[in-house]
Amino acid sequence: AQRVTQPEKLLSVFKGAPVELKCNYSYSGSPELFWYVQYSRQRLQLLLRHISRESIKGFTADLNKGETSFHLKKPFAQEEDSAMYYCALGGYNTDKLIFGTGTRLQVFP
Amino acid sequence: GAGVSQTPSNKVTEKGKYVELRCDPISEHNRLYWYRQTLGQGPEFLIYFQGTGAADDSGLPNDRFFAVRPEGSVSTLKIQRTERGDSAVYLCASSQNKGGSGANVLTFGAGSRLTVL
Repeated sequence: AQRVTQPEKLLSVFKGAPVELKCNYSYSGSPELFWYVQYSRQRLQLLLRHISRESIKGFTADLNKGETSFHLKKPFAQEEDSAMYYCALGGYNTDKLIFGTGTRLQVFP
Repeated sequence: GAGVSQTPSNKVTEKGKYVELRCDPISEHNRLYWYRQTLGQGPEFLIYFQGTGAADDSGLPNDRFFAVRPEGSVSTLKIQRTERGDSAVYLCASSQNKGGSGANVLTFGAGSRLTVL
């Protein structure tokens, strides 16, 4: 079965501080991992996916199959990063995307 | 279209009534997904379509929920005999299958907020 765990409901940091949003997954096949973000009053949108290996808005995430994790990191948080972040799991033998419960990131000035 | 469009944006109904929620996906996308989201939770998968057919409906909670996509474009999520527990934001998303298996990037609509009194 596919399962995604985001242990933190809320993460609060000050501007300029490093950020790490945790995501662990459970999946028997070859996983595809994503981070989606929802800014206030906006739609849920893709932030990044592991196969792209991109840095988007300064965020990176590395898939660690040994630890079954896909933590989202940013070295210096900005106020505009305040949003809900959802980790999502798909796979090469499934076409449905399963979401975690989300972590609210608050960045204070 | 420019994006995924969902109507209505808000729907208030009474327990026991029938409700239809509509999704108009991005025209080039052949996959369409329905999710629902309640307060404090992430989007919960309901069903997805590949073309006109429901490829996976394993997330539909019970037989009061049904979805169609008759022409492979617009989809309607239908809820019969609504219950208070059906209150949620219903999200639609579409994606373009680039060939091969595996989940693709989803583009979401703004959602339809359903309140059952």
